[in-house]
Formats: sequence, C-alpha cells, structure tokens
Amino acid sequence: DAGVIQSPRHEVTEMGQEVTLRCKPISGHNSLFWYRQTMMRGLELLIYFNNNVPIDDSGMPEDRFSAKMPNASFSTLKIQPSEPRDSAVYFCASTAPGQLPRQYFGPGTRLTVT
Amino acid sequence: AQSVAQPEDQVNVAEGNPLTVKCTYSVSGNPYLFWYVQYPNRGLQFLLKYITGDNLVKGSYGFEAEFNKSQTSFHLKKPSALVSDSALYFCAVRAYTGTASKLTFGTGTRLQVTL
Repeated sequence: DAGVIQSPRHEVTEMGQEVTLRCKPISGHNSLFWYRQTMMRGLELLIYFNNNVPIDDSGMPEDRFSAKMPNASFSTLKIQPSEPRDSAVYFCASTAPGQLPRQYFGPGTRLTVT
Repeated sequence: AQSVAQPEDQVNVAEGNPLTVKCTYSVSGNPYLFWYVQYPNRGLQFLLKYITGDNLVKGSYGFEAEFNKSQTSFHLKKPSALVSDSALYFCAVRAYTGTASKLTFGTGTRLQVTL
C-alpha cells in the first residue's frame, strides 16, 4: 500500500499565480480531508469529502481556494490567485469507510508564495 | 462543538525519564479521542485512540494514554523517553456529522527529549 500520495512535494510560485495541489487517497477509502499547517495557526481543516461529495468547506479561507474530487482516487486543491499568506504545508488525509476511522495523512505539499 | 486543548507548547524531558503530554477535551456525548505524531517534514501518523472500554490505551512506539472522564483529560504517556520520540504531538477529538467523521486537532505540543 503506497499510502496517501500528494504532489508536488514542494511548490514555489509568485504571487498572483494559480497553484494546484494534488492528492491520491488510499484505495478503498471514502473520505478525504484537506488541511493546512502553519506555525501561526497550527493545523486547520479546510474541506472534506465523503464519497466524492464535499461535506464541509467552512474551513476554506476565501473564494480564492477551491477543491474538487472528480472521482474516488483523485482530489485537487486550487488557489487562484495565490498570495504570500497562503504559504504553508498542505496535507491531504483519507479514511476508510466506517464511523470511527483513523486518518491516514500524506507527506504534505510545502507551498511558498513569493 | 468539540474541542481539545493542549496547554503546553513544548515539553522537555531527559532520555530514560517518563514523559507526559497533556490534553483536555470538550465534547457533547461520548468522546472519541486520538493522538497523532508528526516528525519533521512528514505527515501526521496515528499513535492511538480511545473509543470505549479500558481507560488506559496502548499505542505505537510504547506510548499509552489515560482517559479520565471526570477530568476530561486524555494525557499521552511513555514510561521511558527516547531521543527519537522528539516530535510534534497532536491530540484530536472526533466529530461525527452523520455522513462522515472529521477530527478536530489541538494546537500541538513539541516534545524534546535530550540525552
């Protein structure tokens, strides 16, 4: 089992550019979570999906952020346009079906917006 | 709303000594509690969970956690710390929305184990 796969692992971009982060959950998992981690704010849940449907996007900071899950094996988090304050590590996590699953985290994408 | 609090930003302990990382929780209903660990430049890894049953839960790498309902605490413990235990530790509580489970994480506690 390859675990949760995220790409790219590192992204450096200039302010105003579009950034797309990608996540492949563990096969068979039906819930997917996007988190953002910064020193100032800690670990924040941005959005999560269940069976490819967004359940709660209340953590998405603003309209510049959008997330999609077109199928059970792929999700994207897009920032357009990016700003320096978006610099953070973005984690994707997935969980298996059931009411009390543990979350499996990917290695994260370190985003730097200059 | 569910929440967890980790009152210590950092815990320092000498190798071989026992360690405790504190966590208190606030939930409506039965608490489902978790501990995760994050090593540098890595994602979070599951350590252990409490759902029901024995108040002392054993997890990975020799860690255990004690659930205390009266004190609403779920402290992480290890009898003898190792330098390799140095990492960021997160306590989390589950919120079930009816369609999916999400975890609310604490702010994290950095554990530093020195020789």
